[in-house]
Amino acid sequence: QVQLVQSGAELKKPGASVKVSCKASGYNFTNFYMHWVRQAPGQGLEWMGIINPSGGATSYAQQFQGRFMMTTDTPTSTVFMELRSLRSEDTAVYSCARGRVDVPTNWGPGTLVIVSS
Amino acid sequence: QSVLTQPPSASGTPGQRATISCFGNSSNIGDNFVYWYQQLPGAAPKLLIYRNNQRPSGVPDRFSGSKSGTSASLAISGLRSEDEADYYCAAWDDSLSAVAFGGGTKVTVL
Repeated sequence: QVQLVQSGAELKKPGASVKVSCKASGYNFTNFYMHWVRQAPGQGLEWMGIINPSGGATSYAQQFQGRFMMTTDTPTSTVFMELRSLRSEDTAVYSCARGRVDVPTNWGPGTLVIVSS
Repeated sequence: QSVLTQPPSASGTPGQRATISCFGNSSNIGDNFVYWYQQLPGAAPKLLIYRNNQRPSGVPDRFSGSKSGTSASLAISGLRSEDEADYYCAAWDDSLSAVAFGGGTKVTVL
């Protein structure tokens, strides 16, 4: 059974960085891509990027390029995302989601990140 | 502003059929598969339809998807109170090299 466990909620000040982890289990970690998607309060879904755990290749949504990074730790089947230079508009639930190369299919529970001074 | 366009809301009485549309262009829906997700209140999105019209195991056959050209639709037949949720369409966008989502449609069962 596919399981994605994410790290806990974060409260950050504007200008800071946040790193969220996503530990996968129940499947072969390197056989599936991992997407990151965020959802601001009361808003829709926004795709951030995708990482291939087999090799670490990444692709980022244009609006996040330069301040968003995804990495993997294959021995622990964990994917990380780091978002830098946080602003209030980055307040959202950040979710990892296993999937095919084109779309996510199995979502994690999400991690709430609040950016506030 | 979402890349894919969905109506913000849809509704129906129990037992009725509800249909949600999703409009895109040749770079996304026109050239790639469409996926649909259901997001119950306070929960993570759940895959409802993949590859235009396929249901994952466990998804009732009351849910069906279709695609024609640059648009797609999700139909929910025999509406139930537990179908009240937000529904999102998605497709890969070749021009953006990104996953494109619709803005979401809130379904209300009256």
